[in-house]
Amino acid sequence: DTAVSQTPKYLVTQMGNDKSIKCEQNLGHDTMYWYKQDSKKFLKIMFSYNNKELIINETVPNRFSPKSPDKAHLNLHINSLELGDSAVYFCASSQDLTSGSPFTDTQYFGPGTRLTVL
Amino acid sequence: GEDVEQSLFLSVREGDSSVINCTYTDSSSTYLYWYKQEPGAGLQLLTYIFSNMDMKQDQRLTVLLNKKDKHLSLRIADTQTGDSAIYFCAEISSYSGAGSYQLTFGKGTKLSVIP
Repeated sequence: DTAVSQTPKYLVTQMGNDKSIKCEQNLGHDTMYWYKQDSKKFLKIMFSYNNKELIINETVPNRFSPKSPDKAHLNLHINSLELGDSAVYFCASSQDLTSGSPFTDTQYFGPGTRLTVL
Repeated sequence: GEDVEQSLFLSVREGDSSVINCTYTDSSSTYLYWYKQEPGAGLQLLTYIFSNMDMKQDQRLTVLLNKKDKHLSLRIADTQTGDSAIYFCAEISSYSGAGSYQLTFGKGTKLSVIP
């Protein structure tokens, strides 16, 4: 059984389009995250959600918006896609962000979604 | 703003010790982390250290923190080929417990283990 799944695995689209990447976890975790990794492997956390509350919002463009319909899902919506958005986007989840030290709970990562903007 | 620096590459022979270094700038950092990313995979949290600690040991991993110099290192004893990966240093700062903090990653150090 897949713990953290993302769809699609690959996404190729034109500049200016709006797209979504879906993430689901079946681990019963309280916290989910989105990370962006660019072609040089530079990694950046974008968002995390705990109990439907956004608790970290790094300085990402507001074209990016996380949507959490329920605890098991955290989808990433991107409007007006730009060339610089091309990257691999990773979703992750952890048990509980607030019960102790931040980010010390083991995070389980999805396989990544490779987004290519043409 | 906050900045985390790492060297980009490190090569070691199998069985030797690896030391991956990291420097950070934010003196308010509360927790510092080491993540491992294997080829084609997501991140795995290896270990972390609280800013009031100098050292933390976990099996083959030893983390050293020099808070005065804002220097963090990860030592891997008896390095194996399976340790080949990219290692990211990260710091969290401005933690208020109320959901307001920043997590900053270094650019990652690619560790290559030579058999």
